[in-house]
Amino acid sequence: GQNIDQPTEMTATEGAIVQINCTYQTSGFNGLFWYQQHAGEAPTFLSYNVLDGLEEKGRFSSFLSRSKGYSYLLLKELQMKDSASYLCAVRGLGAGSYQLTFGKGTKLSVIP
Amino acid sequence: GAVVSQHPSRVICKSGTSVKIECRSLDFQATTMFWYRQFPKQSLMLMATSNEGSKATYEQGVEKDKFLINHASLTLSTLTVTSAHPEDSSFYICSARVEGTYGYTFGSGTRLTVV
Repeated sequence: GQNIDQPTEMTATEGAIVQINCTYQTSGFNGLFWYQQHAGEAPTFLSYNVLDGLEEKGRFSSFLSRSKGYSYLLLKELQMKDSASYLCAVRGLGAGSYQLTFGKGTKLSVIP
Repeated sequence: GAVVSQHPSRVICKSGTSVKIECRSLDFQATTMFWYRQFPKQSLMLMATSNEGSKATYEQGVEKDKFLINHASLTLSTLTVTSAHPEDSSFYICSARVEGTYGYTFGSGTRLTVV
């Protein structure tokens, strides 16, 4: 089975740095995705990790440790528009290997 | 980039009627389409996976006779909610795998309200 855990809510200050953690236990692993979702909208892609280590893309970075079943999304220089839900999703192996399993999402509130 | 157009964005229907949601891939061929449902403050739950020209594979607990999925062409997949009830009110989103990449592209979602 698939189990993905992330904090429900977080609050951070504009201009600061925030780290959103994700832990997973899955029957197979073929990559981890982070998505941003504003209320009532579809998710938008932020990052993808399949190998251990840090992937940096502008203000956003994502880290993966496959041995620990752990990932985090790091947001730097927070802006008000970063207030959204952040979804961690894992792609499995085998039959249905293209399917993504999503965590419940972390609602991030950026305050002035 | 690869774009999936989803319509309608919002629909209100009466209990007992059917609603069709369309997802079209605009500039690529969507071999595989995923359909998700999202309840308020919940994450995306996969309902079914459809492959062009074949029957959809439904997740456990999803009634295939209630949620009819058709993927007759490489650019169009539809989800029909039959005999809708208020508990079917939700946000439905489609997503296509973009072949040749590791990524997926999502439709903009459909907010279904059954009254």
